[in-house]
Amino acid sequence: EVVLTQSPGTLSLSPGERATLSCRASQSVSSSYLAWYQQRPGQAPRLLMYGPSSRAAGVPDRFSGTVSGTDYSLTISRLEPEDFAVYYCHQYDKSPRTFGQGTKVEIK
Amino acid sequence: EVQLVESGGALVQPGRSLRLSCTTSGFTFGDFAINWVRQAPGKGLEWVGFIRSKAYGGTIEYAASVKGRFTISRDDSKSVAYLQLSSLKTDDSAVYYCARAHRLEYWGQGTLVTVSS
Repeated sequence: EVVLTQSPGTLSLSPGERATLSCRASQSVSSSYLAWYQQRPGQAPRLLMYGPSSRAAGVPDRFSGTVSGTDYSLTISRLEPEDFAVYYCHQYDKSPRTFGQGTKVEIK
Repeated sequence: EVQLVESGGALVQPGRSLRLSCTTSGFTFGDFAINWVRQAPGKGLEWVGFIRSKAYGGTIEYAASVKGRFTISRDDSKSVAYLQLSSLKTDDSAVYYCARAHRLEYWGQGTLVTVSS
């Protein structure tokens, strides 16, 4: 099973700051099949990024994704109030599909 | 507009069964895989399983935690996917989501299953 380890667990930042979230895979995963989701309180998750640098429809360009080996990153260039949420990475390359445990981005 | 709506969640006793539905609209249902994902209260996301489209054999895969107890099916004529939950345990208590395609590009709002005596 591919274990996805997200760090940090919580990121405390102010609006306007830059956020960098990490997702490390325990084994090689095709970068084409790694995605990021945003979940706001009380809402269903929403696809943000896939591939891992392609933005889903309607996602603002302050969100970007990169990969280096088995390390995936999601960057939010300038945090807006609506960006404070929990973010999950997910691999759909190998079965069983797996999620990271999530990173909470909270207002400092 | 793409929509997925889960239904069928309820409070059930351990050992009982339940069937969840994922009713969809706004796209050609038969062209897409459907995934099920759950989220226990206050916890992260857990992949449950998926069913591929008929074009890809309609094959089904499950997480180890539910294999042998849960069954995923689909009715392309009704644009609905199902998740049959059997031999329920308290650990199965969660909000259950269905999502379109392997990249989970659209999600429903979820339906709550509570397993308790």
